[in-house]
Amino acid sequence: DAGVIQSPRHEVTEMGQEVTLRCKPISGHDYLFWYRQTMMRGLELLIYFNNNVPIDDSGMPEDRFSAKMPNASFSTLKIQPSEPRDSAVYFCASSLGSRADTQYFGPGTRLTVL
Amino acid sequence: KNEVEQSPQNLTAQEGEFITINCSYSVGISALHWLQQHPGGGIVSLFMLSSGKKKHGRLIATINIQEKHSSLHITASHPRDSAVYICAVLFGNEKLTFGTGTRLTIIP
Repeated sequence: DAGVIQSPRHEVTEMGQEVTLRCKPISGHDYLFWYRQTMMRGLELLIYFNNNVPIDDSGMPEDRFSAKMPNASFSTLKIQPSEPRDSAVYFCASSLGSRADTQYFGPGTRLTVL
Repeated sequence: KNEVEQSPQNLTAQEGEFITINCSYSVGISALHWLQQHPGGGIVSLFMLSSGKKKHGRLIATINIQEKHSSLHITASHPRDSAVYICAVLFGNEKLTFGTGTRLTIIP
């Protein structure tokens, strides 16, 4: 298996633009997680899905952030409009069976909002 | 409040030394994860624990539920072990809470 795939790997955009981050989980995994990592706050869970259904989005910072999982093999995290404080590395991870099981992380998307 | 504390924040050691990284948490948990983040940024899950001890190669993770404490040990450390090690705790039915990480540097 190719592991968790994220795209793009790097994104540079201007404040106010829409940003869409993409994730393909490991085939067969039924949990998908979106994380954000910054120097100030470390790793934070934004949202997670179970069987394509959002279970907990309490970590989503504000209404500018939205996430979808239209099918078992694809998820998006969208920021609209983007702000400089959204600059971070965004990781997607997937796991099989439960929230407590081993999570497999994608390589991350480094987002820079100018 | 659900809190996770790691120590030390930074650790530098000579190749071959035995390494211990600690993680303490505030209340009862469902599971605890140890993650490794390489200098390039990639994150790898090392262990998931809910009790006892696990071993993988030169890495050993232990958890003491009563003491609310977990340790990650590295035997015969090597420069390629240099990374940030992150403890993440699942409190009950809530989301994962991450420690701030321990930056480990192994000098040849």
